[in-house]
Amino acid sequence: DTGVSQDPRHKITKRGQNVTFRCDPISEHNRLYWYRQTLGQGPEFLTYFQNEAQLEKSRLLSDRFSAERPKGSFSTLEIQRTEQGDSAMYLCASSSGQGFEKLFFGSGTQLSVL
Amino acid sequence: DQQVKQNSPSLSVQEGRISILNCDYTNSMFDYFLWYKKYPAEGPTFLISISSIKDKNEDGRFTVFLNKSAKHLSLHIVPSQPGDSAVYFCAASDGSSNYKLTFGKGTLLTVNP
Repeated sequence: DTGVSQDPRHKITKRGQNVTFRCDPISEHNRLYWYRQTLGQGPEFLTYFQNEAQLEKSRLLSDRFSAERPKGSFSTLEIQRTEQGDSAMYLCASSSGQGFEKLFFGSGTQLSVL
Repeated sequence: DQQVKQNSPSLSVQEGRISILNCDYTNSMFDYFLWYKKYPAEGPTFLISISSIKDKNEDGRFTVFLNKSAKHLSLHIVPSQPGDSAVYFCAASDGSSNYKLTFGKGTLLTVNP
């Protein structure tokens, strides 16, 4: 169990640029979640995958955001035409899909949009 | 519409004493409750959980109490240690919503030596 891995840890970009983050969940975990956390707030749900299927998207996820999980393994989160309001910590979490259970979180990607 | 509320942004406690962190929720569909601990620049780490069929769960120095009628839960840490200083998030889940977690805003716990 190597834990949930996220890359990069930090990303600084200019407004209008596209960015992509990667998440490698704990192997054999079939549930994968993306969350966003801003200063002074708790993590907010963005989207959820069961294996390769994206089953739920929050209304926080505008059409500039897209997430994929090809083959049900790693996942990517892409933000197009970044805005300063996108600056946040983007967290990935996974779980094994056994009903109610804890989510294991990665260390996150801190995005700063200048 | 905040479904999980942590009304104390911060709490300061002396080493060795008890820390009590509180959490209220509004969604009666929540069936499972968790506490996470978070250090700066790291992801949340799981601490302890409780199912709605129980009213207490204990794990070493950490105990979570659930009062369903009041829609209230609390985390007790006894004895508190300086290494417990972190932000603590209360989270809730219900099986009808893909088991995703809804988080409160967190409480910053500072344990003074």
